[in-house]
Amino acid sequence: TQLLEQSPQFLSIQEGENLTVYCNSSSVFSSLQWYRQEPGEGPVLLVTVVTGGEVKKLKRLTFQFGDARKDSSLHITAAQPGDTGLYLCAGLGGTSYGKLTFGQGTILTVHP
Amino acid sequence: DADVTQTPRNRITKTGKRIMLECSQTKGHDRMYWYRQDPGLGLRLIYYSFDVKDINKGEISDGYSVSRQAQAKFSLSLESAIPNQTALYFCATSASTGIRVSDTQYFGPGTRLTVL
Repeated sequence: TQLLEQSPQFLSIQEGENLTVYCNSSSVFSSLQWYRQEPGEGPVLLVTVVTGGEVKKLKRLTFQFGDARKDSSLHITAAQPGDTGLYLCAGLGGTSYGKLTFGQGTILTVHP
Repeated sequence: DADVTQTPRNRITKTGKRIMLECSQTKGHDRMYWYRQDPGLGLRLIYYSFDVKDINKGEISDGYSVSRQAQAKFSLSLESAIPNQTALYFCATSASTGIRVSDTQYFGPGTRLTVL
């Protein structure tokens, strides 16, 4: 069974601060996705990283895929209250062809 | 209109009751999934179906069954509900992409199930 360890589980910060969420595994994934989920809704895809070492930016969010394709990080610069939500990483491929393996999630709260 | 819909959105039931959760999609995707979400555990896969004639168990299928009635419909049943099945349940869809490795899954809004 492939596992994705996501940390931290909870993050409470002030508006304007920077933060990083980590997603680690001992397994290699074909790609890794980051989702954001708001209360009462299902997760929504933010980004997919496919190549080892790949970095993608989405406004103030920076996503990185590790060189060995076993880990990923999400960095938010100058967090805003609108960034509040549950962030989930999910790995695709490896021994779980066609299925996503999710991390436990990080609940981010950004205070005004 | 939402592309992936789930009914009901909320359900409270008693131990031992049979419950069915339904999922419909208008995205034309061939793949459908059922997950449950518990605090601190992320989303765990219950069952998945890559086409109408294909049903596969996920990591936590015990106590659950599914039916793929059509490409657009995938239902999840709890034959005899128990309290530890209290959770948020999500249906998702994706399109088969051949050799691509970046499938996007589209999630429904979820069903909050409480088993007393």
